[in-house]
Amino acid sequence: QVQLVESGGGLVKPGGSLRLSCAVSGFTFSDYYMSWIRQAPGKGLEWVSDISSSGSTIYYADSVKGRFTISRDNAKNSLYLQMNSLRAEDTAVYYCARVPAAGWYFDLWGRATLVTVSS
Amino acid sequence: DIVMTQSPATLSVSPGERATLSCRASQSVSSNLAWYQQKPGQAPRLLIYGASTRATGIPARFSGSGSGTEFTLTISSLQSEDFAVYYCQQYNNWPWTFGQGTKVEMK
Repeated sequence: QVQLVESGGGLVKPGGSLRLSCAVSGFTFSDYYMSWIRQAPGKGLEWVSDISSSGSTIYYADSVKGRFTISRDNAKNSLYLQMNSLRAEDTAVYYCARVPAAGWYFDLWGRATLVTVSS
Repeated sequence: DIVMTQSPATLSVSPGERATLSCRASQSVSSNLAWYQQKPGQAPRLLIYGASTRATGIPARFSGSGSGTEFTLTISSLQSEDFAVYYCQQYNNWPWTFGQGTKVEMK
């Protein structure tokens, strides 16, 4: 069945790094744009980054630009988010999500992975 | 950035009643508006896209309307499984932005 499974979250000190992964199954990964979206504890949703189906087009939210890097491996059906120079305000659950061809909304979501930035 | 404002923050409704949720954009987003439902500990689920098109598998009691800057999500007869937080999201202009959410709770 269709599945997006995030991993790689954890506790990291301010200034540290983490690499999140999202393993996809049940659909042709290489056909879709993908996104990362985060949600701080008890807060709303914040879009983080997008990547095109080929990986050639990438967008970032201003809050993470220069610190986070999105990438994908279509051969491995996997999406990644390299997070460097982490700050306390990056603490959140991070979702990977699929972007359908019809528009830049998010029609499938993973179950998220928790990133906690604390000393 | 386009600011999405949802009202009310909390809506208290009895099962079987109608719920009306509002979402306002700080500038026109045409019909590029989606609605999501999120239950505690779960990922958001797409309900509506294109302001009024139900996503696959979404019951007919959920309906969306509006265009430009004013949008509405209506749940015609609330079921127990509908108590959740609802978010709107615009995808007309980058960066894509979400409203702060409306919590629908049992009265």
